[in-house]
Amino acid sequence: EAGVTQFPSHSVIEKGQTVTLRCDPISGHDNLYWYRRVMGKEIKFLLHFVKESKQDESGMPNNRFLAERTGGTYSTLKVQPAELEDSGVYFCASSQAGLGYGYTFGSGTRLTVV
Amino acid sequence: DQQVKQNSPSLSVQEGRISILNCDYTNSMFDYFLWYKKYPAEGPTFLISISSIKDKNEDGRFTVFLNKSAKHLSLHIVPSQPGDSAVYFCAASGRDNFNKFYFGSGTKLNVKP
Repeated sequence: EAGVTQFPSHSVIEKGQTVTLRCDPISGHDNLYWYRRVMGKEIKFLLHFVKESKQDESGMPNNRFLAERTGGTYSTLKVQPAELEDSGVYFCASSQAGLGYGYTFGSGTRLTVV
Repeated sequence: DQQVKQNSPSLSVQEGRISILNCDYTNSMFDYFLWYKKYPAEGPTFLISISSIKDKNEDGRFTVFLNKSAKHLSLHIVPSQPGDSAVYFCAASGRDNFNKFYFGSGTKLNVKP
């Protein structure tokens, strides 16, 4: 089975620009999560989708971040406009419905805002 | 405020010896705990878990211990192998939302041949 796919793997943008990250979860996984790791610190929760609905977006830093999950399949995370502090590695993960244990993570998108 | 803490950023161990990675948490509502392993340029991969009704869980060379009164968990790797060299994250979730995990900042383990 294909794993969680994220692209791009790296993105370097200037402050003020817009970037869109994409995540394709494992087929059949209703739960999709976005997490972020900044500057070697802890991995922090951003939000959780169940199918196309946002179940929990309590970790979204501010309204410059917009996440969508079209038709309950892939998800995008848009940052507009990007700020220097948005730099970090953005991880997407997915899990089957009803399972509270470990998810499957993608390899992440390293975002650098200069 | 960080609810899960890994106070050792790095650990170096000789091959064949035991590796002990530690993790502390502050939220008494945490009910479920996991360890993830991460290689460079890859996402974290699930390693082992434990629920709060247990104090120990084993899977091959990996054992997780939970001390609820101390709000402390540890991961033991015996014997350590060079392929175990990676960053290890502990994570916890609460009974109010078992889908949302709080992660530590990771411990980089180096197993020397």
